[in-house]
Amino acid sequence: EDQVTQSPEALRLQEGESSSLNCSYTVSGLRGLFWYRQDPGKGPEFLFTLYSAGEEKEKERLKATLTKKESFLHITAPKPEDSATYLCAVRGSGNTPLVFGKGTRLSVIA
Amino acid sequence: DSGVTQTPKHLITATGQRVTLRCSPRSGDLSVYWYQQSLDQGLQFLIQYYNGEERAKGNILERFSAQQFPDLHSELNLSSLELGDSALYFCASSVASPGQANGYTFGSGTRLTVV
Repeated sequence: EDQVTQSPEALRLQEGESSSLNCSYTVSGLRGLFWYRQDPGKGPEFLFTLYSAGEEKEKERLKATLTKKESFLHITAPKPEDSATYLCAVRGSGNTPLVFGKGTRLSVIA
Repeated sequence: DSGVTQTPKHLITATGQRVTLRCSPRSGDLSVYWYQQSLDQGLQFLIQYYNGEERAKGNILERFSAQQFPDLHSELNLSSLELGDSALYFCASSVASPGQANGYTFGSGTRLTVV
């Protein structure tokens, strides 16, 4: 069974204080690892897809990396508007749907 | 606006009742997925439809059912509601056929409160 574990559950940063969020996964035949951002009361918003170990993607202050067992979402010099819950999901082989972790709740304080 | 439309946004109903949640996928997307999100469980997959046919089932209760219509919109029916069914219900759509590894586009969700 595909599993995703995200850590930490919650993270509080000062504005400008860089950090990383972790996503550990167990999947049969990884076909994609996905990062989403979710604001309170709203639907998840797609950020990145990573397909193979060593791949990296960047968007503004966010950078996602992938190894064979985990993915990291690096946040460089965060701003208060980066405050949200960040979700990681994996897609395994066959017709399996996306399996999500419980997310990391990020708070960036000005 | 993600292009995935869910109605209603909020729903308050009593235990034992039945409700229907509606989802219109993004234009061109053939796959529709339903997820339930509660505070302690995170996003849990319920069911997937592709071009009108059921393709995958997750932890969906027997009291819950869904269908996808010829115009590709989907409905999730929840019956004999219990307090524990209170949650956010999300619909997502994807252009991918079952087997492709594209991501999903999510709607803004329906917040169901059972009292």
